[in-house]
Amino acid sequence: QSVLTQPPSVSGAPGQRVTISCTGSSSNIGAGYDVHWYQQLPGTAPKLLIYGNNNRPSGVPDRFSGSKSGTSASLAISGLQAEDEADYYCQSYDSSLSGWVFGGGTKLTVL
Amino acid sequence: EVQLVESGGGLVQPGGSLRLSCAASGFTFSTYNMNWVRQAPGKGLEWISYISNSGSTIYYADSVKGRFTISRDNAKNSLYLQMNSLRAEDTAVYYCARVRAGYSYGYADYWGQGTLVTVSS
Repeated sequence: QSVLTQPPSVSGAPGQRVTISCTGSSSNIGAGYDVHWYQQLPGTAPKLLIYGNNNRPSGVPDRFSGSKSGTSASLAISGLQAEDEADYYCQSYDSSLSGWVFGGGTKLTVL
Repeated sequence: EVQLVESGGGLVQPGGSLRLSCAASGFTFSTYNMNWVRQAPGKGLEWISYISNSGSTIYYADSVKGRFTISRDNAKNSLYLQMNSLRAEDTAVYYCARVRAGYSYGYADYWGQGTLVTVSS
C-alpha cells in the first residue's frame, strides 16, 4: 500500500489528453511538500518528468504538465503519442516517515 | 555526462548479506546527496535510504532500518548499500539516484540502470 495514491491505469487515443492523479495526506502533499513525477518506460530506469509540481527538465516536451492543489497533484499529458506508453510515478516527502514517498504508479496505455 | 552505475546484485539466500555499489561520474559527487530506491518485480518504487553529501545525515525507511547501511566514499565517487539479514521481500531492482536539492526535500534528477537482488533459497 503506497502512501501516495494513483490510479493503476489510464488510457487514451493518440492525440487525446489524459490526466493522472496523485492523492496524499496532511503529512506529505497536504503539508505543502512539493510533488515530482517520473516516467518509466518498459525495462528501463525511471526518468525525471516534472519537478517542483509544475517544472519540466530540459528535453521534456511541453505536452507534459503538472499541478498541485491541497492534498493532491496531477500530471497531464496532451497530444498523446505511442511513445508515451509507460508507467508514471509521483513522489513527495513525508514528514511522519522522514523520507520520500512514491505513488503506486499508473500504467498509461495509448490505444 | 552524468552516469550512475550500480553493481553487486545477485542471488543470495535468506538471512544472507550483499553489498551494492554505485559508481558516479560526470559531476562533483561530493556536493550531492544520494538515495537508494528499489522496485520489487512488477511493483512500484520504494525509497529505502538517503545520505547527505558529507555522509553526516542518514535516513532509512522502516522496512530496512537496522538491516541496511548506506555509506559513501567521496574520494572514490562511490555510494554503497550494505544489506544484511536479507529477506524474500527484499527481492528487487535497486537504483541509486542523485538528489537534486530544493523543492522540499528534493527529487531524483538522475538514476542508475539498477542492479537486481534476488533473495531465495
